[in-house]
Amino acid sequence: QVQLQQWGAGLLKPSETLSLTCGVSDDSLSHLFWVWIRQSPGRGLEWMGEVNHRGSTNYKPSLRTRMTMSIDTSTRQFSLKLTSLTVADTGVYFCARSGPMGAFDVWGPGSQVIVSS
Amino acid sequence: SSDLTQDPAVSVSLGQTVTITCQGDSLRSYFASWYQQKPGQAPVLVLYGTNKRPSGIPDRFSASNSGTTASLTITGAQAEDEADYYCNSRDRSAKFWVFGGGTKLTVL
Repeated sequence: QVQLQQWGAGLLKPSETLSLTCGVSDDSLSHLFWVWIRQSPGRGLEWMGEVNHRGSTNYKPSLRTRMTMSIDTSTRQFSLKLTSLTVADTGVYFCARSGPMGAFDVWGPGSQVIVSS
Repeated sequence: SSDLTQDPAVSVSLGQTVTITCQGDSLRSYFASWYQQKPGQAPVLVLYGTNKRPSGIPDRFSASNSGTTASLTITGAQAEDEADYYCNSRDRSAKFWVFGGGTKLTVL
């Protein structure tokens, strides 16, 4: 069963850039789409964007100007950069695999991100 | 308004049947997926497509669709089913993915 690992900085200041990476345990990074999803404290889930093995991306419109996703199939990793952080970006960030019929069938454990001055 | 709408909270007595719904225009054309999330944990996919369950998901979980409404039904709810449930599908434009606001299920 494929597993996802996440790492990246957790405590950031407003205006800084968030960088998170997700590692994939098998070769499935070479196909399918890979996504980032976040959850603000006490709130629901928010799909942020997706990337495929060719590096094609699709971002949520409200995040498009601040967000970059990339993929490296040689290291089995994909990444998220989110610039110009505000306190509203505080939350738990999950990486996930977009599997059958677009369902997110494998999730990372989540990374707590706190944006505070 | 949200692309996918869920009731914020639903309760069910132990062993009884409960249905959680998700409404949205995109559901006329796209299936919903359903996720279970317990406190402090990552969501888990429980249903997708017509009525498909990933390996390890009990068969008391089932899905159905009608028009703009997708439903998740738990037949014989167990204490361990108490969790937040989220639906997910395409947005109105069909270009992006969205989640419903989530339904908190309480098992009494």
